[in-house]
Amino acid sequence: KAGVTQTPRYLIKTRGQQVTLSCSPISGHRSVSWYQQTPGQGLQFLFEYFSETQRNKGNFPGRFSGRQFSNSRSEMNVSTLELGDSALYLCASSARPGQGEQYFGPGTRLTVT
Amino acid sequence: GNSVTQMEGPVTLSEEAFLTINCTYTATGYPSLFWYVQYPGEGLQLLLKATKADDKGSNKGFEATYRKETTSFHLEKGSVQVSDSAVYFCALIPINTGTASKLTFGTGTRLQVTL
Repeated sequence: KAGVTQTPRYLIKTRGQQVTLSCSPISGHRSVSWYQQTPGQGLQFLFEYFSETQRNKGNFPGRFSGRQFSNSRSEMNVSTLELGDSALYLCASSARPGQGEQYFGPGTRLTVT
Repeated sequence: GNSVTQMEGPVTLSEEAFLTINCTYTATGYPSLFWYVQYPGEGLQLLLKATKADDKGSNKGFEATYRKETTSFHLEKGSVQVSDSAVYFCALIPINTGTASKLTFGTGTRLQVTL
């Protein structure tokens, strides 16, 4: 079974731009969560989607948004990028919500200059 | 709120040494507990889990026991290898979260194993 895939793997953007990251969960998994990983703040939960609905949201500004498609693929969008948005963005999938056993993708490394 | 506290790293050990990485948690009720591992340049992988008090999770020679009385979930391995060099994260998810899959992670502990 193929794992969680994320595209692109690396991205360099300029302050003020916007970016869209993509995540394809493991086949059959319908819950997708996003996390931000930085050296200073560690791993922080962004949001979770299940059946195309956002089920839970972390403490991030409205510039961070996401969506999920009917095939369970998910995208997250960050608008008006700031230097502090530079991070590794990890996507995780699970069969259903409420599961701590999550399968992570390799992440998208975003650098904002 | 929920929180996880891990020992600061890096932890540097010689191959075949005994490993302990301490983890304590604060949560409402009795959460499920996890250890995830992150190898360089990769995402996180689930290493082991325990869902109730006194459960012992184990995988690849690693073990951790869910201790309700001390709110701890320390990771141990009897004999580490160079290939175990990675960052280890302790995490929890509250029980009865309904539809929430939000994992709360510790800050991570980097392990370096040398020959």
